[in-house]
Amino acid sequence: QSVLTQPPSASGAPGQRVTISCTGSSSNIGAGFDVHWYQQLPGTAPKLLIYANNNRPSGVPDRFSASKSGTSASLAITGLQAEDEADYYCQSYDSSLSGSYVFGTGTKVTVL
Amino acid sequence: QVQLVQSGSEIKSPGASVKVSCKTSGYTFTHYAIHWVRQAPGQGLEWMGWISPGNGDTKYSRKWQGRVTITRDTSASTAYMELSSLTSEDTAVYYCAKLLGHSGSYYVDVWGQGTLVTVSS
Repeated sequence: QSVLTQPPSASGAPGQRVTISCTGSSSNIGAGFDVHWYQQLPGTAPKLLIYANNNRPSGVPDRFSASKSGTSASLAITGLQAEDEADYYCQSYDSSLSGSYVFGTGTKVTVL
Repeated sequence: QVQLVQSGSEIKSPGASVKVSCKTSGYTFTHYAIHWVRQAPGQGLEWMGWISPGNGDTKYSRKWQGRVTITRDTSASTAYMELSSLTSEDTAVYYCAKLLGHSGSYYVDVWGQGTLVTVSS
């Protein structure tokens, strides 16, 4: 029932670049609301990866970057490492549901 | 440092209610909203609602409106999430999360460790 759609999976060899899309609509990303990204390692709570479209919290490697355009956003991981194998979620705000916070469907990144 | 420590795992019968606590420390509790987020086994993250601890204002996702109640105890710097009329589909890990940002751009900067709620007869 998520209003933000992500591909279920993505993969790459160590050192490669992987991108994950997050597709929304005119009531969320397209309305100008910011997009945030979280990384969830197996069996752990999510962790903030990117906030306000393209900002990294301290401690997050610069291998992680993100952008937003129109009704979509994307997360890029360059120089893929084994420890990047995790689930990734985008998150934004949606004004059509009496105002609510929405998460993406999630993408499992596999390091080959 | 900022910490959100949740109560332990629960096993409940169908039709019962569960109340999960989220004890915060390392910051001024009343200054930042708290989200509650659910993750069913093998599934993604679902926003349930949030509370503004300063004035107690709440907002709930339509999906759970009427079944979920979020409260807080400012003297204990603790937020609570109660879910009623449990079914097996409510079996999930429930997270509390501290919000940062501004209107239209709130995000979670710190998560609780999660509380597993199992609903089984």
